[in-house]
Amino acid sequence: ETGVTQTPRHLVMGMTNKKSLKCEQHLGHNAMYWYKQSAKKPLELMFVYNFKEQTENNSVPSRFSPECPNSSHLFLHLHTLQPEDSALYLCASSLNRGLDGELFFGEGSRLTVL
Amino acid sequence: GENVEQHPSTLSVQEGDSAVIKCTYSDSASNYFPWYKQELGKRPQLIIDIRSNVGEKKDQRIAVTLNKTAKHFSLHITETQPEDSAVYFCAASTGYSTLTFGKGTMLLVSP
Repeated sequence: ETGVTQTPRHLVMGMTNKKSLKCEQHLGHNAMYWYKQSAKKPLELMFVYNFKEQTENNSVPSRFSPECPNSSHLFLHLHTLQPEDSALYLCASSLNRGLDGELFFGEGSRLTVL
Repeated sequence: GENVEQHPSTLSVQEGDSAVIKCTYSDSASNYFPWYKQELGKRPQLIIDIRSNVGEKKDQRIAVTLNKTAKHFSLHITETQPEDSAVYFCAASTGYSTLTFGKGTMLLVSP
């Protein structure tokens, strides 16, 4: 157990639904990340939070809305998604943003958009 | 920004053979190069990393080499075993930027 927990592990939603992904870490890390992993694509960075403040938004469509209430929790709110948004969404944390920090990943949330 | 290219996309070897995965990067300021292993259905995990002040690093059956002049680094796995089968991702960062990942290499080790 790496200390990064994601829920739900699987999610199926329609294009008009609103859902949220949750990530929680108990490693005492200050930085948290959302990555998208699709077939045959690299791990795509979506958002970075450092000490609860968003430091990077990698040109992500507004239908994805992150929230970081504290350094231990990270959410990804989803609304009016498209079928091409179906992917594995990975949360990660590191002690500090950049600075050669090892990323600790969660198991991921497998999202299917119908 | 940084661009990381990884080859091959798929690599099949027989158990006991060696496997080599290569990555190139574009930003000469990058100085940190980790490798992550992702087994089927599991999370990526760091297996080894190297910093730009070192040319080679070994940890049991795995090693990473770095050529700063050519801007490429490689992962070497010796005496491969079936449990080495996974997707391997290389990455690069300047130390002050978030990691940029390669597209991954699926390694298949046949018994």
